[in-house]
Amino acid sequence: DTAVSQTPKYLVTQMGNDKSIKCEQNLGHDTMYWYKQDSKKFLKIMFSYNNKELIINETVPNRFSPKSPDKAHLNLHINSLELGDSAVYFCASSHSTEEAFFGQGTRLTVV
Amino acid sequence: SQKIEQNSEALNIQEGKTATLTCNYTNYSPAYLQWYRQDPGRGPVFLLLIRENEKEKRKERLKVTFDTTLKQSLFHITASQPADSATYLCAQGLGAGTYKYIFGTGTRLKVLA
Repeated sequence: DTAVSQTPKYLVTQMGNDKSIKCEQNLGHDTMYWYKQDSKKFLKIMFSYNNKELIINETVPNRFSPKSPDKAHLNLHINSLELGDSAVYFCASSHSTEEAFFGQGTRLTVV
Repeated sequence: SQKIEQNSEALNIQEGKTATLTCNYTNYSPAYLQWYRQDPGRGPVFLLLIRENEKEKRKERLKVTFDTTLKQSLFHITASQPADSATYLCAQGLGAGTYKYIFGTGTRLKVLA
């Protein structure tokens, strides 16, 4: 039973396309996050949701739009993909601000 | 803004020795610090959390300290094994209601057999 699952694991797409990454957690957590890990392995928060409400939006371009249909899901939609969007995107969840559980990551490559 | 610094250089140690990793924070006093392990191609996995009013926390061969005067946390792995080889990330928690963790860049540990 995977606690936090993301799909797809790998995503290769052309510049200008629109793509989505899905995330689901079965831990009953109230908070979910999207993090971006760049080529230097730096993990930076993008968004956090608490009880389906957007709490944190860390100066992410408007091309990135998270959506939380319910507390167990947080999806990330990216419009007009750019080369610089290539990275590994991690979804995570936690109960309040205790330990975070991460998904396995989605490696996005924009060509 | 909050900042977490870890020694970004790789740390190589001999099997059986104690590995010590450093995490320094600036500009803000975190309510707690967390340590995560990340293996290649995988997501970070939580290891330990230490709060600002705790000096030390242990879990099996792992020990974490929190020095608010030095603004530093040390992460120790005793009797290290090759299976401990991974990248270790320190994360700063800002407290209830903040809903984010600030991560350091991580330190890559390699335990040599």
